[in-house]
Amino acid sequence: SSELTQDPAVSVALGQTVRITCQGDSLRIYYASWYQQKPGQAPVLVIYGKNNRPSGIPDRFSGSNSGNTASLTITGAQAEDEADYYCHSRDSSGNRVGVFGSGTKVTV
Amino acid sequence: EVQLVQSGAEVKKPGESLKISCKGSGYSFSKSWIAWVRQMPGKGLEWMGIIYPGDSDTRYSPSFQGQVTISADKSISTAYLQWSSLKASDTAVYYCAREAGHSDSDAFDLWGQGTLVAASS
Repeated sequence: SSELTQDPAVSVALGQTVRITCQGDSLRIYYASWYQQKPGQAPVLVIYGKNNRPSGIPDRFSGSNSGNTASLTITGAQAEDEADYYCHSRDSSGNRVGVFGSGTKVTV
Repeated sequence: EVQLVQSGAEVKKPGESLKISCKGSGYSFSKSWIAWVRQMPGKGLEWMGIIYPGDSDTRYSPSFQGQVTISADKSISTAYLQWSSLKASDTAVYYCAREAGHSDSDAFDLWGQGTLVAASS
């Protein structure tokens, strides 16, 4: 399958922890990367690989992987974390084709 | 400054052709894959295709194969996305994004600002 499935929406209280999941067969082979997108803005990479944060991304963002599921956790969510989050990985075709998850709206 | 700068918004009629651009600067453009990503109004991100400017190796999502053409001119550090005949359903924001080149991930670490394409009669 070339699909990545995410829950459409989650909510979290200010300062609490939220986990967003992404499921897909290709995640058994490839790591996911995660992007934050706020209205009217381009996506921003927040997690890539096993659990790596680009420079400038707060350490409250972390990633994990198990079987066919990748997860993004925000520990101590802030108001500015309210956004859409998308996972992304290569599909399982072996042709270097990518796929994005359906996206999760996080409300803080 | 390391950046991808995309061409401006376009308003076209269905059936017209269009080519939008994405110019990289501040890094070795020919040595990083560049992807195109579609975002229809109010919808999620869709991976369209990717090109390696160094040798123009190009891959397409099955959903977009035959619908668009991706190309690049490494001499001017620019990637392109083109349509031969636009449809109203092509109305969307299109982003270009650079693949970071990490050994364990295809992550996109640099994004253009997006180009709005509106196709309406």
